[in-house]
Amino acid sequence: AQSVAQPEDQVNVAEGNPLTVKCTYSVSGNPYLFWYVQYPNRGLQFLLKYITGDNLVKGSYGFEAEFNKSQTSFHLKKPSALVSDSALYFCAVTNAGNNRKLIWGLGTSLAVNP
Amino acid sequence: GAVVSQHPSWVICKSGTSVKIECRSLDFQATTMFWYRQFPKQSLMLMATSNEGSKATYEQGVEKDKFLINHASLTLSTLTVTSAHPEDSSFYICSAREDSVRTDTQYFGPGTRLTVL
Repeated sequence: AQSVAQPEDQVNVAEGNPLTVKCTYSVSGNPYLFWYVQYPNRGLQFLLKYITGDNLVKGSYGFEAEFNKSQTSFHLKKPSALVSDSALYFCAVTNAGNNRKLIWGLGTSLAVNP
Repeated sequence: GAVVSQHPSWVICKSGTSVKIECRSLDFQATTMFWYRQFPKQSLMLMATSNEGSKATYEQGVEKDKFLINHASLTLSTLTVTSAHPEDSSFYICSAREDSVRTDTQYFGPGTRLTVL
C-alpha cells in the first residue's frame, strides 16, 4: 500500500537555527513528492515538489527538500528558521498509477521559538 | 498565479438545512478538483474527486447523497452538504489541479469552516 510517514508530530527549533521536517514514503513506481504548509484556520499553501531531475529542490520562503531514493525520504529543510515559519507542514506523494490522488502524511507542527 | 478561492469562508447553519460551498480556480483551468475534510489537529481526509462534465468519485465511506458535488465548469466546483447535522461540522478544503501542467500539483482554497447547530 502506498503511504507517507511524518515521524514527528512536532518539531521545535530556535529562531536562526536550521530546521528539518522529516518525510518518508512508500509508493510503487516513480514518486511525485510535495510539501505543503498550513497556517491556522487556513488552506494549504504549496511549498515545493520533486518530479524528476536534481534531487535537491528549492521552494518558497527559503525552504528546500532533498529526494533520497535509496532511503525513500523527502525531508524538508531550511538553513535559518524564522518565527513566522511556525505552522503545520504536510508531505504528500503520488504517482501516475494512483489515479493521481495525493497520499498525505499526518502533518508535523513546527514551532520556531524566538 | 494558481489561485483558488473558496466561498464562504465560514458558515453557521441549523441542523437539517443544506449548505453550498463554492471552489473556483481564478487563473487556471481545472478539469479535476478535490474536496477534503479536516478535523482539528488532523491530516486531510479526501472526500471526493470532482471531474468537470462527469460524476464525482467518492472515497470509501463518504455518502454521495449527503455530500453533493457539481463540477459545472473548468473553474468551478461546488460541494453541498445536505441535511446537515452537528457531526458534519468541520473544516472543508478544496483544491484544484492545473490542467496545463501534468505534475499533479494541487492548489488549495483557504477553506470553509462549517458549524452546524
